[in-house]
Amino acid sequence: KNQVEQSPQSLIILEGKNCTLQCNYTVSPFSNLRWYKQDTGRGPVSLTIMTFSENTKSNGRYTATLDADTKQSSLHITASQLSDSASYICVVSDRGSTLGRLYFGRGTQLTVWP
Amino acid sequence: EADIYQTPRYLVIGTGKKITLECSQTMGHDKMYWYQQDPGMELHLIHYSYGVNSTEKGDLSSESTVSRIRTEHFPLTLESARPSHTSQYLCASSDDPGLPSSYEQYFGPGTRLTVT
Repeated sequence: KNQVEQSPQSLIILEGKNCTLQCNYTVSPFSNLRWYKQDTGRGPVSLTIMTFSENTKSNGRYTATLDADTKQSSLHITASQLSDSASYICVVSDRGSTLGRLYFGRGTQLTVWP
Repeated sequence: EADIYQTPRYLVIGTGKKITLECSQTMGHDKMYWYQQDPGMELHLIHYSYGVNSTEKGDLSSESTVSRIRTEHFPLTLESARPSHTSQYLCASSDDPGLPSSYEQYFGPGTRLTVT
């Protein structure tokens, strides 16, 4: 069964600290992995997209890594800010159809305290 | 910021009412999607469309229906709302992938529906 599991479910950190969020997946055949940021009451916004051949990609203070062999990804946030408080969703796409089926994790709820 | 819009943003309605959730995008995307999301849970695909006059059901069974008469417009309708329909509904669109791995999905802000 194609699944995406994220950990931790929730995380509280102090402003200025770094943190790492984890994503494990069983989706096959694999096409790409995305990390989205979803603010409360808003739609998800894409942070990074990585294909099979990419093992790291950065977007400002966000750095995603991908190990396609172990089917694991992480999202590292550097020097956190209050505005980083959001749900971070790992999404994996398969190559099984022209639709490019997306499998969503439940997200990690990050809270940044001042 | 993606050019995809949803109205209303919040809706509280009584059981049995007919409702239509609006979604429109100005990016000229052929593919559009409706997702349902409950608090703390993953997004579930309920409808999608490859283009005008194309609609398909997604993975999660839904009593809602959709239509795609114009490229930019993908409304979702519930003929008779029930409390079990209370959820957040997210609309998305994507461009046509030159490679299946390269397309991006852009999400609207969502409609929070509460059926009393």
